[in-house]
Amino acid sequence: QKEVEQDPGPLSVPEGAIVSLNCTYSNSAFQYFMWYRQYSRKGPELLMYTYSSGNKEDGRFTAQVDKSSKYISLFIRDSQPSDSATYLCAMSGVLTGGGNKLTFGTGTQLKVEL
Amino acid sequence: EAGVTQFPSHSVIEKGQTVTLRCDPISGHDNLYWYRRVMGKEIKFLLHFVKESKQDESGMPNNRFLAERTGGTYSTLKVQPAELEDSGVYFCASSQDWGSDTQYFGPGTRLTVL
Repeated sequence: QKEVEQDPGPLSVPEGAIVSLNCTYSNSAFQYFMWYRQYSRKGPELLMYTYSSGNKEDGRFTAQVDKSSKYISLFIRDSQPSDSATYLCAMSGVLTGGGNKLTFGTGTQLKVEL
Repeated sequence: EAGVTQFPSHSVIEKGQTVTLRCDPISGHDNLYWYRRVMGKEIKFLLHFVKESKQDESGMPNNRFLAERTGGTYSTLKVQPAELEDSGVYFCASSQDWGSDTQYFGPGTRLTVL
């Protein structure tokens, strides 16, 4: 069983829709939760970073973490065609030496249609 | 500020040959990570440097892979001899050392072993 499960999609939505992306995980040691966006042939770009449970909002993006359910979500409001990309969830455990390895989901491919 | 850079962007080699990938982290970032994504799978951790020291190399698949970070600046990842299953995209990431787990990724090197 993978440590992090993420539906690969593809997910297609109309412009302006609210998008919900999710990951579940099995390792209770994870404390840091991230969402990365990756455009084709590019590297992952950090979108949201959350420590422990709770919500975090940044513009059109909201990240939610529910550690009791081992479930994290990313919501995109008023989706735009430029949001079309692969969205990767990533997480890590206790920081050591100033950093720690990330465990990724497989990524969800999102397409926002005009 | 320049981001993480990787060279080459794409490498095609034959089985049994040697390839060296290079990563230049963001200036001042002591933490440097290598990750790999093989076709259809999630991005997986390979190893983590703090300055020139290997902090965690638990993700290195076997002894055909050798990573170095002489002087604590750029890093190289050598694969010798390359096998078909080494094909994939190799990402480098860097982060600062004050306990932040915000990792910034390079564009990746796409390695194809024929």
